[in-house]
Amino acid sequence: DIQMNQSPSSLSASLGDTITITCHASQNINVWLNWYQQKPGNIPKLLIYKASNLHTGVPSRFSGSGSGTGFTLTISSLQPEDIATYYCQQGQSYPWTFGGGTKLEIK
Amino acid sequence: EVQLQQSGTLLARPGASVKMSCKASGYSFTSYWMHWVKQRPGQGLEWIGAIYPGNSDTSYNQKFKGKAKLTAVTSASTAYMELSSLTNEDSAVYYCTRWDYGSSYAMDYWGQGTSVTVSS
Repeated sequence: DIQMNQSPSSLSASLGDTITITCHASQNINVWLNWYQQKPGNIPKLLIYKASNLHTGVPSRFSGSGSGTGFTLTISSLQPEDIATYYCQQGQSYPWTFGGGTKLEIK
Repeated sequence: EVQLQQSGTLLARPGASVKMSCKASGYSFTSYWMHWVKQRPGQGLEWIGAIYPGNSDTSYNQKFKGKAKLTAVTSASTAYMELSSLTNEDSAVYYCTRWDYGSSYAMDYWGQGTSVTVSS
């Protein structure tokens, strides 16, 4: 199975900050990396697909990059509604696997 | 509008089985893989498996083989997951989610989740 190592596991930042979450795959997954946002008490929602493509309706302050084994999710100009847990997920091969999640809090 | 409507909360005894449903609407049910994801309280996401309703082809996470069984009824646009031999470890929220093959290649729509509690 492909292991997805996500860091940090939690993050506290101020409104307006730019933050970065990283995800490392245990083997080459090309660009088959997706990011999901799960707000407290809510369902996961697709944010970014194929490493760097914004899903419909996602604000442009979210961006993704990377290929191969290393990926990043960047949120610029942090907003209160960005409080959530973020997960990376590889779609290179079954079984699909998720990172452990990054819980984002506002200072 | 794509919607995935999941069945309600389930309470079951250890050793029992439960079956939950996921009714799809707003798209061609037989043309997209339906995936299932587990989330234990306060924990992360875990992929269980997937079914292609067009031909009932399935793929399972080895960890859930023998635990989960995925089926689909195309006439009702509904996917099902049955969990057997329940233990406390099966207490979780279970999501169905559509895989957008051909565009995003990601899970683009999610059901609201079915909560399963296993307790004696």
